Amino acid sequence: EPEVTQTPSHQVTQMGQEVILRCVPISNHLYFYWYRQILGQKVEFLVSFYNNEISEKSEIFDDQFSVERPDGSNFTLKIRSTKLEDSAMYFCASSLDRGADTQYFGPGTRLTVL
Amino acid sequence: RKEVEQDPGPFNVPEGATVAFNCTYSNSASQSFFWYRQDCRKEPKLLMSVYSSGNEDGRFTAQLNRASQYISLLIRDSKLSDSATYLCVSYETGANNLFFGTGTRLTVIP
Repeated sequence: EPEVTQTPSHQVTQMGQEVILRCVPISNHLYFYWYRQILGQKVEFLVSFYNNEISEKSEIFDDQFSVERPDGSNFTLKIRSTKLEDSAMYFCASSLDRGADTQYFGPGTRLTVL
Repeated sequence: RKEVEQDPGPFNVPEGATVAFNCTYSNSASQSFFWYRQDCRKEPKLLMSVYSSGNEDGRFTAQLNRASQYISLLIRDSKLSDSATYLCVSYETGANNLFFGTGTRLTVIP
């Protein structure tokens, strides 16, 4: 069964450093998403991406964040200057179509900012 | 703004019990609803979609009441492996993203 993969599984960084979280969506999917989950809190939408551009983003997704699909398979989330409050699980998801089509989640990257 | 609200629990039930989770949503524009399951420190996994006509999958039954903006999940004959957090999720076409509730923690006890 195809699945979304994410690397690394755990990233530790110092406050102020840049991090790049990587995702490989399911190969025939067209819509890609990033969500985050701060420990003990709900899963929150960050951004959706389609046709090589951002289609929607939440208020969390400020100028410190950017996304990119640098090649045909990877989908990345960059945080330019990490803050302590960026510590969370970051989940990538993909779906074949827009709409209520099922979004498949990757296993997540645990980001710890010290 | 809380799009989706759930009782966080925890629900501790014995094996074989029937347990029901409830969820309310605030945005009448929400078009689709789902229950996801999340194990500790893992990703959310789709359990089932929720339809107004009701949806049953084995021991799991989901129901949607649009008039009351209320969603339910019923688990019959609970198994130890059902222990997890159950996430109520809504989808809005305009936003094209999922709105998650905080989840309800279930522990099935031997």
